[in-house]
Amino acid sequence: EPEVTQTPSHQVTQMGQEVILRCVPISNHLYFYWYRQILGQKVEFLVSFYNNEISEKSEIFDDQFSVERPDGSNFTLKIRSTKLEDSAMYFCASSGEANYGYTFGSGTRLTVV
Amino acid sequence: GNSVTQMEGPVTLSEEAFLTINCTYTATGYPSLFWYVQYPGEGLQLLLKATKADDKGSNKGFEATYRKETTSFHLEKGSVQVSDSAVYFCALSSGSARQLTFGSGTQLTVLP
Repeated sequence: EPEVTQTPSHQVTQMGQEVILRCVPISNHLYFYWYRQILGQKVEFLVSFYNNEISEKSEIFDDQFSVERPDGSNFTLKIRSTKLEDSAMYFCASSGEANYGYTFGSGTRLTVV
Repeated sequence: GNSVTQMEGPVTLSEEAFLTINCTYTATGYPSLFWYVQYPGEGLQLLLKATKADDKGSNKGFEATYRKETTSFHLEKGSVQVSDSAVYFCALSSGSARQLTFGSGTQLTVLP
């Protein structure tokens, strides 16, 4: 069964540093997403990406965040200057038709110290 | 805006017990409804879905029926197993918005 692959599975970074979280969506999917889950809290939408541009973003997705699809297969989330409150599990997802369920990756646990 | 209210956990059951996890929603238009499951240390997996009123989603013995009149999508299983221990999330997507709105999740523990 096709999978969404995320790397790394766990990243520890110092406050103020830049991090890039990487994802390889399912190859024939057209829509790509990032979500995050702070420990013990809800899964929250960050951003959706379609046709090489952001289609929706939440209030969480401020100027510190950016997304890119650099080469037609990878989909990255960059946090420019990490804060302690960015510590969370970050999930990438992709879908063919958006209202019929996504496929999520297994997540990257980001710890900011 | 859209919101999902989910039965608070944790829920602890004995093996072979009946499971219900309640989920109600508020949405504009006609949402699609989903249940996702998160096993320990893993990502979110789509468990089942329903895209219109009165649809029943089912998978692995789990079922949920899209009830427009009560704006509900309760998850049920007739006989749970230890391997069903996980966190269960109700979610919806609505209209042109492609984002999923999640409930807070319900931790299920099944004891042998």
